[in-house]
Amino acid sequence: SQTIHQWPATLVQPVGSPLSLECTVEGTSNPNLYWYRQAAGRGLQLLFYSVGIGQISSEVPQNLSASRPQDRQFILSSKKLLLSDSGFYLCAWSLMNSPLHFGNGTRLTVT
Amino acid sequence: AQKITQTQPGMFVQEKEAVTLDCTYDTSDPSYGLFWYKQPSSGEMIFLIYQGSYDQQNATEGRYSLNFQKARKSANLVISASQLGDSAMYFCAMREGPTSGTYKYIFGTGTRLKVLA
Repeated sequence: SQTIHQWPATLVQPVGSPLSLECTVEGTSNPNLYWYRQAAGRGLQLLFYSVGIGQISSEVPQNLSASRPQDRQFILSSKKLLLSDSGFYLCAWSLMNSPLHFGNGTRLTVT
Repeated sequence: AQKITQTQPGMFVQEKEAVTLDCTYDTSDPSYGLFWYKQPSSGEMIFLIYQGSYDQQNATEGRYSLNFQKARKSANLVISASQLGDSAMYFCAMREGPTSGTYKYIFGTGTRLKVLA
């Protein structure tokens, strides 16, 4: 069966520090991969998605970036965090016509 | 551009009663999928039900059913026999493709459901 791992679960970082969130999927090949951000009590905002290794589509211009170095690995990064980057970050995967399957999320607080 | 609208920020329902959560969508792609997710206070996203744009019948999954009205572009979630454990945030989502060549999933702003004992 397929599983998705996302870490860390919580993270507190100072303004201006770098960020790296990692997500890996097991049990499937060539999944579509997604990063979403959810502000407190709000909906999900699509940040990046990828349909293959090295293929990244950005939905919202900001100081975040994403990379897909391997088929089942998706990384969200920032060189310098802003206060507005605080939120709940969710990684997800899907196949062609399947529902999105989410990781457990990372709660990021930028102080 | 694709869009999902949930106009009910919050809803209350009495235990054991049915409740309908509204969702309307907009897309120019003839092929799309509609999804509902539940998000408890723990934050996890739980997939509930799926409706394809070409499906002739409304989807059902246990106590969940999707009232799909294609001409009105609505995909309302009906929860029958509400339980206390149904209290959560509910999100409607849409996926375009393959016509558009992308497989983006966009989400509505959510409806917070509270089930009353």
